[in-house]
Amino acid sequence: NAGVMQNPRHLVRRRGQEARLRCSPMKGHSHVYWYRQLPEEGLKFMVYLQKENIIDESGMPKERFSAEFPKEGPSILRIQQVVRGDSAAYFCASSRLAGLQETQYFGPGTRLLVL
Amino acid sequence: DQQVKQNSPSLSVQEGRISILNCDYTNSMFDYFLWYKKYPAEGPTFLISISSIKDKNEDGRFTVFLNKSAKHLSLHIVPSQPGDSAVYFCAASALGGSEKLVFGKGMKLTVNP
Repeated sequence: NAGVMQNPRHLVRRRGQEARLRCSPMKGHSHVYWYRQLPEEGLKFMVYLQKENIIDESGMPKERFSAEFPKEGPSILRIQQVVRGDSAAYFCASSRLAGLQETQYFGPGTRLLVL
Repeated sequence: DQQVKQNSPSLSVQEGRISILNCDYTNSMFDYFLWYKKYPAEGPTFLISISSIKDKNEDGRFTVFLNKSAKHLSLHIVPSQPGDSAVYFCAASALGGSEKLVFGKGMKLTVNP
């Protein structure tokens, strides 16, 4: 029973390049959440998606960031024209259903380093 | 504005003793609270949760207490084991908040053998 999968685990990009982070939710889970953790900080919510729909993107920066969760395949968090401040750990979580008391299970994260 | 606060960055306890991790929150709309444990280079692992209609939830060595009037919750681990050494995050979600979790900054627990 595989957990939430994220790849790559580590990603190095130069300023101005694009970063693509992938997340495959647990089997049977159709709700995906992306969080970002800056050094010495807690996790900050970015976006919540269901299959083919963005439910809540209130935590996403207005520019350069986008997310999708297509009908087939993993969820993708895309960061265009990366800057050094984008360096962080990006965690994906999934849940089986929506609802306040549905546990979110986290993946191992992608550590993005922008040079 | 930090809505979930873990004011102590670290705690060190002896194996076998009780570990008490504290968390305060400011948003009265928070209705569900969770604790996650995180090892370095891994994702957070769900530990235990509590709904606002309860004041206590227990699961093995882990117990979470909720004091709604004080907007305070705590995680008790007893007895503490060296394998419990990790960073612990308190998180909360609000009714109407689209299930997003609001996390504290975390607290590093070290359990000494």
